[in-house]
Amino acid sequence: QLVLTQSPSASASLGGSVKLTCSLSSRHSGAAIAWLQHQPEKSPRFLMSLDSDGNHDRGDGVPDRFSGSSSGADRYLTISSLQSDDEADYYCQAWGSGIEVFGGGTKLTVL
Amino acid sequence: QTQLQESGPGMVKTSETLSLTCSVSGGSFRLFYWSWVRQSAGKGLEWIGHTQTTGKTYYNPSLKSRVTMSLDKSKNQFSLKLSSVTAADTAVYYCARVEGPSFCGDAGCLWYMDVWGKGTTVTVSS
Repeated sequence: QLVLTQSPSASASLGGSVKLTCSLSSRHSGAAIAWLQHQPEKSPRFLMSLDSDGNHDRGDGVPDRFSGSSSGADRYLTISSLQSDDEADYYCQAWGSGIEVFGGGTKLTVL
Repeated sequence: QTQLQESGPGMVKTSETLSLTCSVSGGSFRLFYWSWVRQSAGKGLEWIGHTQTTGKTYYNPSLKSRVTMSLDKSKNQFSLKLSSVTAADTAVYYCARVEGPSFCGDAGCLWYMDVWGKGTTVTVSS
């Protein structure tokens, strides 16, 4: 069964950078994922799709401050030049065996 | 530019059926899968299901016995029915467009939600 694991919280300073992690269950370590941003009181926003080699495709209008990378079963979202409105929940999501799976989400606080 | 808008009752009584509709404007309706996702207060995103104009559907196994998704191609709308609701079904319900397949490999392909509606809050109470 596909499982995506994320740390519940992360924090970083305004203007700095942060790297969020999504870990795939070992049997699915080669799978591609999508990263979503969910700001308070807004609908989720697709940020990018990301494969096991680190190739990624950003969604329309997503700035290149958002980048993706991969290592083994881990998929990363790096946000640089942090802004206050980057404060949000970030989810990874993948498709496996006819089921869409979300990670538990990481709440990012911008200090 | 594709836009999605959820509609339906904001309140449903316990044990009754929740019914929501998503209206799609702009872009192609027939080429994509369409999805429902929900978020209960204080919890993460939960996938409900995907449906497509060919009639193919995929449902979350934990909800499958209570979920029916359907489409109206003439109106560019798709719908969700969730039966026998309880307070645990109180949530913000989002409809979304499903993009894919992409990044196909030995581990399969990625299907992901790339366009989302604004969401609608549904409260279940007695």
